Amino acid sequence: LAKTTQPISMDSYEGQEVNITCSHNNIATNDYITWYQQFPSQGPRFIIQGYKTKVTNEVASLFIPADRKSSTLSLPRVSLSDTAVYYCLVGPLSGGNNDMRFGAGTRLTVKP
Amino acid sequence: EAQVTQNPRYLITVTGKKLTVTCSQNMNHEYMSWYRQDPGLGLRQIYYSMNVEVTDKGDVPEGYKVSRKEKRNFPLILESPSPNQTSLYFCASSFFGTSNEQFFGPGTRLTVL
Repeated sequence: LAKTTQPISMDSYEGQEVNITCSHNNIATNDYITWYQQFPSQGPRFIIQGYKTKVTNEVASLFIPADRKSSTLSLPRVSLSDTAVYYCLVGPLSGGNNDMRFGAGTRLTVKP
Repeated sequence: EAQVTQNPRYLITVTGKKLTVTCSQNMNHEYMSWYRQDPGLGLRQIYYSMNVEVTDKGDVPEGYKVSRKEKRNFPLILESPSPNQTSLYFCASSFFGTSNEQFFGPGTRLTVL
């Protein structure tokens, strides 16, 4: 199982771009990188998934360098409602989701 | 609406009284799993199922049972609950082999006295 390392917490202000970096040095060739968001007392919500280079959707962008040993979740122009815990997970598609583990995540606090 | 439902949402019970938390999904997902979330320990997987009649232990299976008789349902059974099973429980489902996008239920907050 690929282990991930993220900052425990981050603070930002409304309107700023937030970048959360995840380290996964032992990522395997067939592993994908997936990010989730979780609000208090709610289940995690899928944000974005990628394998290499850059992926963008309506919520966020995911940047993955060529060596794939890290990834960066970018949230453009955050608002107070983006205050949540963000999890980075690494694992293959073929193993279902049993090969991935939720770590402690990064607690993002957006201030006015 | 595509969703994962759990019942009950809140439950207070006493030690030793068997209980079942139901989980149902309407997305025809093959994969379903149960997690518990405790302060400081994050989300930990209890059991998972890759398809009907196929279940396996996750990281913290002790004290729990599951069954997968139908594709849409994946109940979590606590035969003899104990206070250390007081937690927030989440059920999740996803397609198998094509995406790591899991859909989570709203959670069940269980208190065992």
